[in-house]
Amino acid sequence: DAGVIQSPRHEVTEMGQEVTLRCKPISGHNSLFWYRQTMMRGLELLIYFNNNVPIDDSGMPEDRFSAKMPNASFSTLKIQPSEPRDSAVYFCASRPRQGMENTGELFFGEGSRLTVL
Amino acid sequence: AQSVTQLDSQVPVFEEAPVELRCNYSSSVSVYLFWYVQYPNQGLQLLLKYLSGSTLVKGINGFEAEFNKSQTSFHLRKPSVHISDTAEYFCAVIWYSSASKIIFGSGTRLSIRP
Repeated sequence: DAGVIQSPRHEVTEMGQEVTLRCKPISGHNSLFWYRQTMMRGLELLIYFNNNVPIDDSGMPEDRFSAKMPNASFSTLKIQPSEPRDSAVYFCASRPRQGMENTGELFFGEGSRLTVL
Repeated sequence: AQSVTQLDSQVPVFEEAPVELRCNYSSSVSVYLFWYVQYPNQGLQLLLKYLSGSTLVKGINGFEAEFNKSQTSFHLRKPSVHISDTAEYFCAVIWYSSASKIIFGSGTRLSIRP
């Protein structure tokens, strides 16, 4: 079974440009998480979805960030306009329907490394 | 506020030496506890977890962790490390009161010296 698939793996863009990061969760998983990782702030939860519905977006930095999950197999994280301080590795993770055996276990993609010049 | 603290940002050890990576969390109410490992240029993967039962939990690659409720700690240990254990290790907690939200610590970078 394929894991969580993220694209692009690397993105270099100029300040002010729109950036769209994509994520395909593991089939059958019903929760999806977007995290941002930087040296300064570590791993930050941006937003998570349950059954395609955004549950908690309190970690989204500001209005320039938006996330969507139009169906169970696809999600996007968009930054418009991008700024140099958005440079980070963005991870998508999915989680199966929760039961005692798999409580809390997240399956991470390999990340999208974003550099904004 | 709910928080997870990993006191050591970096831990250098010699190959075949024992190691302990420390993790404390902010509240003693019911929690689920996890350790994840991140190898260079990869995403995180689950190393082990404590949900209930025995406080000593064994994970992959010879790692184990012990849940200590009174000290609100969940330290990770390995009796003898290998070069391949070089990675960043993250402690994570789910509080029963917010069952969907996983809080990660800031990570500990384990570097193994030959």
